[in-house]
Amino acid sequence: EVQLVESGGGLVQPGGSLRLSCAASGFTFNSYEMNWVRQAPGKGLEYLSYISRSGSTLYYADSVKGRFTISRDNAKNSLYLQMNSLRAEDTAFYYCARGNRVDYWGQGTLVTVSS
Amino acid sequence: DIQMTQSPSSLSASVGDRVTITCRASQGIRNDLGWYQQKPGKAPKRLIYAASSLQSGVPSRFSGSGSGTEFTLTISSLQPEDFATYFCLQYNSYPALTFGGGTKVEIK
Repeated sequence: EVQLVESGGGLVQPGGSLRLSCAASGFTFNSYEMNWVRQAPGKGLEYLSYISRSGSTLYYADSVKGRFTISRDNAKNSLYLQMNSLRAEDTAFYYCARGNRVDYWGQGTLVTVSS
Repeated sequence: DIQMTQSPSSLSASVGDRVTITCRASQGIRNDLGWYQQKPGKAPKRLIYAASSLQSGVPSRFSGSGSGTEFTLTISSLQPEDFATYFCLQYNSYPALTFGGGTKVEIK
């Protein structure tokens, strides 16, 4: 069974940093591109970032470019999102999702940016 | 960027009703579209891929159609467990994915 489990969310002050993790199981992790998506409370979904299977190709939405960094450790079947210079508008549920057809999602981790 | 316009944003329906949700793309995306169901606190679940292919394990009352710029998700007979939010996702321009705004299906 494919499972994606996010962790690392929490309350952080504006300007602070957080590192999200996504633990993958039930499939061959290094065979899939991976993605991060977020959803602010009561709002729609926003695509944030992509990483290729090897980790050599990255993509970021303009809203997070220069502040967020996606990475992966294929030996640990894990995906990461390093979030720096956090703003109130980054408050959202953050989801990892599998593949270029986005077939499986985790259940998300909540990041709250507030003083 | 490709924009996805989803309608309606919400609807009220009764058990047994036929429900139709539409997504329109700002440019042609072939059939590179998926439909998802999201319940509070749960991971989004893919129902349909490639516009009309039913995800394994998803009940056959769900169906998708369309190609190019207009797409439809149909629930042929709404069941109690189907009350949720539904959204479309285009992956034609991957990795620049874009989502529809979502449709909340509520009990009438």
